[in-house]
Amino acid sequence: RKEVEQDPGPFNVPEGATVAFNCTYSNSASQSFFWYRQDCRKEPKLLMSVYSSGNEDGRFTAQLNRASQYISLLIRDSKLSDSATYLCVVLGGSTLGRLYFGRGTQLTVWP
Amino acid sequence: GAVVSQHPSRVICKSGTSVKIECRSLDFQATTMFWYRQFPKQSLMLMATSNEGSKATYEQGVEKDKFLINHASLTLSTLTVTSAHPEDSSFYICSAGESGPGLYEQYFGPGTRLTVT
Repeated sequence: RKEVEQDPGPFNVPEGATVAFNCTYSNSASQSFFWYRQDCRKEPKLLMSVYSSGNEDGRFTAQLNRASQYISLLIRDSKLSDSATYLCVVLGGSTLGRLYFGRGTQLTVWP
Repeated sequence: GAVVSQHPSRVICKSGTSVKIECRSLDFQATTMFWYRQFPKQSLMLMATSNEGSKATYEQGVEKDKFLINHASLTLSTLTVTSAHPEDSSFYICSAGESGPGLYEQYFGPGTRLTVT
């Protein structure tokens, strides 16, 4: 079983739509959780960290359910510039800084 | 945020040659850096953990004699792909973590696109 599993996607939505991505992780001892965004042929960039209480950053809302080992990302009022691949990332393991990446979910926002 | 640089950004080499990729943390010190590889439409796969002043830790299935890692200083790690073959063509990305009280963030370099002909 993979450490991090994500929605397979792709998601194709019109501008203004609300879209949600889901992710599950296998290691209950995982410490921190993140959503990264990766544009085509570029490196991943941190979108937001995910906290147990849930957190919001503008149009983006992230939720963590430790009991279910489930992470979500909600994007409201989608913009064309939101088109990218969204990576669910979990920090854990015995090595400090060891990140586990989901395969990523591709989002295309069309006009 | 902190900055991690990589050099070169793109390299094309002939089969059988070796290629060195540099990863630098520009405004912080990193005792640990990570090397990833990403094939098209796939996620990042950790290749190895680079530890300053000691041997790298390789993930299962990654040949340590083929992918040589040197982390000689707190700001520089290098990955050398030895005797490169076309199947080594990929996007190689390094990262470095910065930690502080209640904080951990990992920063990625811009990546190196390797094409072996």
